[in-house]
Amino acid sequence: SAVISQKPSRDICQRGTSLTIQCQVDSQVTMMFWYRQQPGQSLTLIATANQGSEATYESGFVIDKFPISRPNLTFSTLTVSNMSPEDSSIYLCSVSAGVVYEQYFGPGTRLTVT
Amino acid sequence: KQEVTQIPAALSVPEGENLVLNCSFTDSAIYNLQWFRQDPGKGLTSLLLIQSSQREQTSGRLNASLDKSSGRSTLYIAASQPGDSATYLCAAHGGYSGGSNYKLTFGKGTLLTVNP
Repeated sequence: SAVISQKPSRDICQRGTSLTIQCQVDSQVTMMFWYRQQPGQSLTLIATANQGSEATYESGFVIDKFPISRPNLTFSTLTVSNMSPEDSSIYLCSVSAGVVYEQYFGPGTRLTVT
Repeated sequence: KQEVTQIPAALSVPEGENLVLNCSFTDSAIYNLQWFRQDPGKGLTSLLLIQSSQREQTSGRLNASLDKSSGRSTLYIAASQPGDSATYLCAAHGGYSGGSNYKLTFGKGTLLTVNP
């Protein structure tokens, strides 16, 4: 398994600003993922972040809104840009380990945009 | 596209009861199926992963089964305890319409409350 930490754990932000969320893993992993969980909804994959290449975004998510960095095999950041109240969600990072692609999740970042 | 449905949406049981949570998926060509637990305001904890070639997996009081041909999985919790209260999510890995094998499609979850 993998131990994942995220910073910040929660934040309240003003409309139009940006927030960068950090994800740190205790071991080297190839694939990291960023998810969004809107209130009362299940998880939706935003993008897959592999070290040394551009992140791959899912339909409905764009790099200008959610830029991602993956500088090494244990760390990634997700930025939520030009925020609106609709961006209020829990943002979670996860990693995939082993040949069976079991996924492990961080504790999440609860974002409220006012 | 892959769709995952969980029934019931919420379940309340007395302590000590055995219970079953249901998960169904539309694309049976999944790679794996994974069950998670989510406590309020927290991240997800992986409970069990069933590979597509397996029929079931067990961990302590938890037993998960998988029937790919019918597109169903169940999570059985024996002798439930108040500490089991949480939202339980199932997620299908991949599939023809789900994308690569590492991509998860989640259900909306079952909110379980175990009353002392």
